[in-house]
Amino acid sequence: GQQVMQIPQYQHVQEGEDFTTYCNSSTTLSNIQWYKQRPGGHPVFLIQLVKSGEVKKQKRLTFQFGEAKKNSSLHITATQTTDVGTYFCAGPTEYGNKLVFGAGTILRVKS
Amino acid sequence: EPEVTQTPSHQVTQMGQEVILRCVPISNHLYFYWYRQILGQKVEFLVSFYNNEISEKSEIFDDQFSVERPDGSNFTLKIRSTKLEDSAMYFCASVRRRGSTDTQYFGPGTRLTVL
Repeated sequence: GQQVMQIPQYQHVQEGEDFTTYCNSSTTLSNIQWYKQRPGGHPVFLIQLVKSGEVKKQKRLTFQFGEAKKNSSLHITATQTTDVGTYFCAGPTEYGNKLVFGAGTILRVKS
Repeated sequence: EPEVTQTPSHQVTQMGQEVILRCVPISNHLYFYWYRQILGQKVEFLVSFYNNEISEKSEIFDDQFSVERPDGSNFTLKIRSTKLEDSAMYFCASVRRRGSTDTQYFGPGTRLTVL
């Protein structure tokens, strides 16, 4: 079945450093979605990318969708302590819109 | 902004007991989902539900699990005889229409602890 891989599993950065997480799907995706989960919280939708090669920005966050629509990345510029949490990518399956989640990248920011 | 709500926030139960987790999806949404997340692991799909029937279910969703929409607002997940490995966060999600570009909105989750 469809698999979504995400790396790294864990990243610990100094406040002000940049952070990137990468997501790869075993199949071409119609879209990819990114979620943030704070410790003890639930996944909160951040963004959805639909078009091949699409790049979207939300303040310090930059999201990219690969040309082949099989990979994606999330880049945070100048991390802050409020950025801590786990970042998940998720893609819908071909025949349904259930989401297949990546394993997530845990971000810790040291001030 | 409308949101998905879930109750209880935390449920502790003895192994072998039945539990019912409740969700109130966003009111104009038509498709509903249950996901679970074992501590420290990724979010896993359990089941999707539309028009009062299951649309799709995962291997995890065995005969011990059932879902129901008993009225116009609630969406429930029942585990008949809980096992230790059922301990997890259970998230309900809803989406307005079935289409792969629609956003799924997640509830805050129910933490289930099976002793």
